[in-house]
Amino acid sequence: AQKVTQAQTEISVVEKEDVTLDCVYETRDTTYYLFWYKQPPSGELVFLIRRNSFDEQNEISGRYSWNFQKSTSSFNFTITASQVVDSAVYFCALGGSQGNLIFGKGTKLSVKP
Amino acid sequence: DTAVSQTPKYLVTQMGNDKSIKCEQNLGHDTMYWYKQDSKKFLKIMFSYNNKELIINETVPNRFSPKSPDKAHLNLHINSLELGDSAVYFCASSSGRIRIFGPGTRLTVT
Repeated sequence: AQKVTQAQTEISVVEKEDVTLDCVYETRDTTYYLFWYKQPPSGELVFLIRRNSFDEQNEISGRYSWNFQKSTSSFNFTITASQVVDSAVYFCALGGSQGNLIFGKGTKLSVKP
Repeated sequence: DTAVSQTPKYLVTQMGNDKSIKCEQNLGHDTMYWYKQDSKKFLKIMFSYNNKELIINETVPNRFSPKSPDKAHLNLHINSLELGDSAVYFCASSSGRIRIFGPGTRLTVT
């Protein structure tokens, strides 16, 4: 069975702090994809990153970075020097061979000034 | 220039009514989806269409019927609405590389 676990329900930090959002997944597929989406208070789902199972290279995009560790089935997301505008619910998701996208329950990040 | 659009954005209706939500994408993607986000923010796929053909149909009541008139459109029709149908419904499309979501339709059944 496929499953995504985001153990942190809510995280609260002060602006400029670094914060890491955890994501652990389960799948029997050998080829799969991992995603992160941001859902700000306005409600839309914003695509952040897609990573395939063969590419374990970590990625950095501005203040965002992602750490994919296949050995521990984790795909963690770090925001460096957080800002108030980063406040949102962040979803990790797993895409398998059948095209479905399994979402975690989300982590609500609150960044206070 | 919106990539995936949904109408309406808000929908308030009474129990027992029939309603439709429309979705259009201008990305040229082959696959489109409907997801439901409940009050606890949990997102779950409902349907997936590839080139107008149904490929994923999760356990969803028969009252929900997707319709894809062409590759760029996937509409969701809901019959006999119930209180439990209140949620945010997201349409999405993908080319297999990234999945883009529409802005969502907040459905409230009273």
